Amino acid sequence: GESVGLHLPTLSVQEGDNSIINCAYSNSASDYFIWYKQESGKGPQFIIDIRSNMDKRQGQRVTVLLNKTVKHLSLQIAATQPGDSAVYFCAETYNNAGNMLTFGGGTRLMVKP
Amino acid sequence: KAGVTQTPRYLIKTRGQQVTLSCSPISGHRSVSWYQQTPGQGLQFLFEYFSETQRNKGNFPGRFSGRQFSNSRSEMNVSTLELGDSALYLCASSLIGGAMGTQYFGPGTRLLVL
Repeated sequence: GESVGLHLPTLSVQEGDNSIINCAYSNSASDYFIWYKQESGKGPQFIIDIRSNMDKRQGQRVTVLLNKTVKHLSLQIAATQPGDSAVYFCAETYNNAGNMLTFGGGTRLMVKP
Repeated sequence: KAGVTQTPRYLIKTRGQQVTLSCSPISGHRSVSWYQQTPGQGLQFLFEYFSETQRNKGNFPGRFSGRQFSNSRSEMNVSTLELGDSALYLCASSLIGGAMGTQYFGPGTRLLVL
């Protein structure tokens, strides 16, 4: 993913609505993708991951979609809650990279009550 | 099970000094990775240690170094601090040392260089 620096894109949604956060990744060799959530003053928290042999994976209230053709990843959050307000990062790695993650610039999600 | 712990949580240093940060991984995890987070550059990989050996290294100058002990605890050191080293330093641990192992992050050490 590309860093967007100081000005994080912001997604503002109403409580109860669904949220979709997008990420464009850069390395066509990447075969493992992760979404992290980072709340203020905390480290990134694992949400969900997906391997390149899949195009969709579901968790509790979250779904990750992978489109390898256009190198695009998305995170869908169902019934967004105020506690979902945070910065969301996508990360990518590939088989020979060990645990070296490349992070996207992040998207700030704001949930309005 | 306790999460990843990092000490200290906050640190203030002056230019030219050196600093050592510590990370204790989740019990049983053998891989420890370090990342630097700044508003300008985002999250960037520093290095990864597995079984006391550095497996990967990011694009940082030699002033940044690390090590891992036999109990998997890890330290990173930054020598000759520069103002631009002010950042949140994050440690992540993983059960295995290869790719596709879920990494769990600690709360970070916030370093301010004056």
